[in-house]
Amino acid sequence: NAGVTQTPKFQVLKTGQSMTLQCAQDMNHNSMYWYRQDPGMGLRLIYYSASEGTTDKGEVPNGYNVSRLNKREFSLRLESAAPSQTSVYFCASSEVNRDTQYFGPGTRLTVL
Amino acid sequence: EDQVTQSPEALRLQEGESSSLNCSYTVSGLRGLFWYRQDPGKGPEFLFTLYSAGEEKEKERLKATLTKKESFLHITAPKPEDSATYLCAVQAIGTASKLTFGTGTRLQVTL
Repeated sequence: NAGVTQTPKFQVLKTGQSMTLQCAQDMNHNSMYWYRQDPGMGLRLIYYSASEGTTDKGEVPNGYNVSRLNKREFSLRLESAAPSQTSVYFCASSEVNRDTQYFGPGTRLTVL
Repeated sequence: EDQVTQSPEALRLQEGESSSLNCSYTVSGLRGLFWYRQDPGKGPEFLFTLYSAGEEKEKERLKATLTKKESFLHITAPKPEDSATYLCAVQAIGTASKLTFGTGTRLQVTL
């Protein structure tokens, strides 16, 4: 039981490049989330998916898109990366959207 | 707007020296308050959820308490392996998926 897994662990992009961050959970959870963590700031919600087939914007959605591929997988896409998107990205999941959220190990992204 | 403030920003303790971390919050209606532990380079690890004032939860050397305005994470006789950043988050009634996080308290426990 791996919990929440994320790939890649590290990534360096040039401004304007695109990439997709992958997240998968094996806990049969219904809800999944993407957060970013920046120095001196708390974790901030980018997008979430309360259940398979639904997605909603969080606090900081600009510049990102998401896809809930199936119940297990939730991806985050940067279409045209900007230096302001340099951050650590965490995926999380919960049984339903009011429950405790469990986090993955994170992806460290640098945009030059 | 929901807000979470954690203090102190950093805390250095000697092994065995008990202390408390504070999480002050403002929220329209509290559904739950969450404590997480985060080690460097890792994702947050869930510790506790508290739902109502007066509630307490314990796990090994940690005890979390909740009032209407703040939560405390008490660390009794800490060990070096308790060194980590401790994060507090609140979930408001009616905002089912949104957690508002504080910036954390960085705890270092030395021998």
